Amino acid sequence: QVQLQQSGPGLVKPSQTLSLTCVISGESVSSTSAAWNWIRQSPSRGLEWLGRTYYRSKWINEYAESVNSRITVNPDTSKNQVSLQLKSVTPEDTAVYFCVRGGYEFDIWGQGTMVTVSS
Amino acid sequence: EIVLTQSPGTLSLSPGERATLSCRASQSVTSNYLAWYQQKPGQAPRLLIYAISSRATGIPDRFSASGSGTDFTLTISRLEPEDFAVYYCQQYGGSPAWTFGQGTKVEIK
Repeated sequence: QVQLQQSGPGLVKPSQTLSLTCVISGESVSSTSAAWNWIRQSPSRGLEWLGRTYYRSKWINEYAESVNSRITVNPDTSKNQVSLQLKSVTPEDTAVYFCVRGGYEFDIWGQGTMVTVSS
Repeated sequence: EIVLTQSPGTLSLSPGERATLSCRASQSVTSNYLAWYQQKPGQAPRLLIYAISSRATGIPDRFSASGSGTDFTLTISRLEPEDFAVYYCQQYGGSPAWTFGQGTKVEIK
């Protein structure tokens, strides 16, 4: 079955870049029937969709307006994984970050990574 | 952006009772793209229902859902001990626009 294993630092300093990786097993990142999303959850903002990448003859990236100027989601076909980069973080970016498979709804979730933005 | 409002915030019930959770959208939800999730402490959300009323793989039939337009309902016919959790609704409003409700906590009375 499809599994998503996340990794990355749990503490990031303000103004720096948050970087997380999600290794996909059981399905190709290039699958033309899947999309790979990043969603975060915090007490103040609830569950918030951030962005996604997917392959449909070419790679397509889509981002939420709230983070559009700061976010990059990239696939890595050689490692079958996706990455999240969020630049210029502030304490408001403190949250649990999830890697998630899904199109209209989200059916497979990674374990979550708690990221704290603090000096 | 479509805002989803869930009610009540907390539902206090006993095992064996029926739970009815509401999700109201600020405007009509696109093409039946409404889903429900269950989340337990320290875990990721789990997909229960998609396309308004279709149960996800492995979800028991005590979970059912219905609705249309702006009003949607998740029903748990007889609460089992493992059903006490937080439940979220989620809609897809056209890329890039997925939004979630704020959640309803179902707690043991």
